[in-house]
Amino acid sequence: GAVVSQHPSWVICKSGTSVKIECRSLDFQATTMFWYRQFPKQSLMLMATSNEGSKATYEQGVEKDKFLINHASLTLSTLTVTSAHPEDSSFYICSASGPSGYEQYFGPGTRLTVT
Amino acid sequence: GENVEQHPSTLSVQEGDSAVIKCTYSDSASNYFPWYKQELGKRPQLIIDIRSNVGEKKDQRIAVTLNKTAKHFSLHITETQPEDSAVYFCAASSPQAGTALIFGKGTTLSVSS
Repeated sequence: GAVVSQHPSWVICKSGTSVKIECRSLDFQATTMFWYRQFPKQSLMLMATSNEGSKATYEQGVEKDKFLINHASLTLSTLTVTSAHPEDSSFYICSASGPSGYEQYFGPGTRLTVT
Repeated sequence: GENVEQHPSTLSVQEGDSAVIKCTYSDSASNYFPWYKQELGKRPQLIIDIRSNVGEKKDQRIAVTLNKTAKHFSLHITETQPEDSAVYFCAASSPQAGTALIFGKGTTLSVSS
């Protein structure tokens, strides 16, 4: 139980284009999902908290107009990186709160490379 | 906001030895402390967690201890094996269910046979 999927697993895009990443909770409903970014050999940095049916809450320093988050249903949240630049290249991981509200289950991550 | 410090950043042990990783947190209101294991290029996997109403929790070779007064918690791995080699992250979150985890910087554990 508590499986989170993420799609795509990796993507290469050209500078200036937009990329959408999907995060799904497969066997449970997730009122809250989280988006993290992880650079090589670094920790997971929280980007935003996504609540179903409401606007995402972004962490300080994260541009909400660049990283668009939509949480349209209890099983799906999407992150769109708009006008991507090479410095946006990173490993993006989503997570969803489990049934107890405390445990978080992570998706497999999306490796984004912007050329 | 919450800040989590983790030490050491790297840890090398011989197979069969014990490994201890320590974390401190700043927000006394935090009440949930999980530990994740992450292998290269893969998602973090929850290995053990503890809530603030418990001082210690054990699961086979893995144990976590929590000292609320000092605001620190530790991961203990006994009888280490080469497959324990990975990056380990501690994290903390505040009282409300559904709040984000704040992670430590990670510890790279290497177990040599």
